[in-house]
Amino acid sequence: AQSVTQLDSQVPVFEEAPVELRCNYSSSVSVYLFWYVQYPNQGLQLLLKYLSGSTLVESINGFEAEFNKSQTSFHLRKPSVHISDTAEYFCAVSDDNQGGKLIFGQGTELSVKP
Amino acid sequence: DAGVIQSPRHEVTEMGQEVTLRCKPISGHDYLFWYRQTMMRGLELLIYFNNNVPIDDSGMPEDRFSAKMPNASFSTLKIQPSEPRDSAVYFCASTPRGIDGYTFGSGTRLTVV
Repeated sequence: AQSVTQLDSQVPVFEEAPVELRCNYSSSVSVYLFWYVQYPNQGLQLLLKYLSGSTLVESINGFEAEFNKSQTSFHLRKPSVHISDTAEYFCAVSDDNQGGKLIFGQGTELSVKP
Repeated sequence: DAGVIQSPRHEVTEMGQEVTLRCKPISGHDYLFWYRQTMMRGLELLIYFNNNVPIDDSGMPEDRFSAKMPNASFSTLKIQPSEPRDSAVYFCASTPRGIDGYTFGSGTRLTVV
């Protein structure tokens, strides 16, 4: 069975500092990995995804994540955060390239302080 | 496209009452998912549909919960009778394929008193 572990429930950081949100998964088959962001009182939005190919994937707002098969990790990073990045971030895994269900981690609350 | 539309945004009801949550997926998305979000349990998949057919309902907590998708543009999640522990935010999401990523609605915040 698949599972996702987000190692930090809360990550406080100062503006313009780098940040890493950690995600580990377990699955017995090939996986597809996702990061979603949830701003207050909103639904989740897709941030980036890894399907195959290059292990480094990027989003349009400066986040990147690297798929590491040997460590079964998919950590999310940003070299310099903004106040507007304050949100909850969810890592998710699927082993089905069709409509397959996503299994979400518990979420990491990123709090960016001025 | 207006995205995934959920109604109502907020619902406050008394214990024992029937609650119906509604979802309109994005046109052309063949998969529809219902999730529940709470502080204690995080995001839980309740049920999902493919082409209006329920595929996996193993996450539905108990018989008080039921979901239907009578056509490609509408789904309901019903709780009867409701209990205080059902209080949560319920999300609907749709996708043409899982690897495209889901589009989530804004959610329905349910409070059962």
